[in-house]
Amino acid sequence: KQEVTQIPAALSVPEGENLVLNCSFTDSAIYNLQWFRQDPGKGLTSLLLIQSSQREQTSGRLNASLDKSSGRSTLYIAASQPGDSATYLCAVMGSARQLTFGSGTQLTVLP
Amino acid sequence: NAGVTQTPKFRVLKTGQSMTLLCAQDMNHEYMYWYRQDPGMGLRLIHYSVGEGTTAKGEVPDGYNVSRLKKQNFLLGLESAAPSQTSVYFCANSLEDMNTEAFFGQGTRLTVV
Repeated sequence: KQEVTQIPAALSVPEGENLVLNCSFTDSAIYNLQWFRQDPGKGLTSLLLIQSSQREQTSGRLNASLDKSSGRSTLYIAASQPGDSATYLCAVMGSARQLTFGSGTQLTVLP
Repeated sequence: NAGVTQTPKFRVLKTGQSMTLLCAQDMNHEYMYWYRQDPGMGLRLIHYSVGEGTTAKGEVPDGYNVSRLKKQNFLLGLESAAPSQTSVYFCANSLEDMNTEAFFGQGTRLTVV
């Protein structure tokens, strides 16, 4: 059974810092990995999708990498802003045709 | 263009009552999913559908039923609600399951007392 772990569970940084969120998964047989953002009381917004054949994806200040063989992904956020405060979730699409989610990292960016 | 819309947004049920959660999409996507989100447990898949008229069980299907009579709608039913079903429910869709992103609704917060 696929398991997805996100470390740390919570992170607080001052505005302007660059930061890295970590995601690991136990079964490397995945089709893709997605990073989502969730604001309190809201749904999930897709940030980046990395297909299994790709190593990284970039969107603005966000860069996500994927190392399928080691079962790891990182989400790099450059020059963090208070508006980046949210919970970040990673999810993998595996052979069971289901997205398996981590429990998320709650990020707070302090002004 | 609403994307994925869930109805209702909030609901309180008494133990044993039944209800149906509606998920509607205007994106013409084949795949639709129902997840529940609980503190410390992430999102877990309840049921999913790969097209009109099809449904399949996910990780935590017990106590729930679903129907996909029309491509644009995916219904989640609770026949006899239990306090353990208190959760936030999310509907999602995707164009195809393996290499495209998933789009989520805003969620339904359900409390069973």
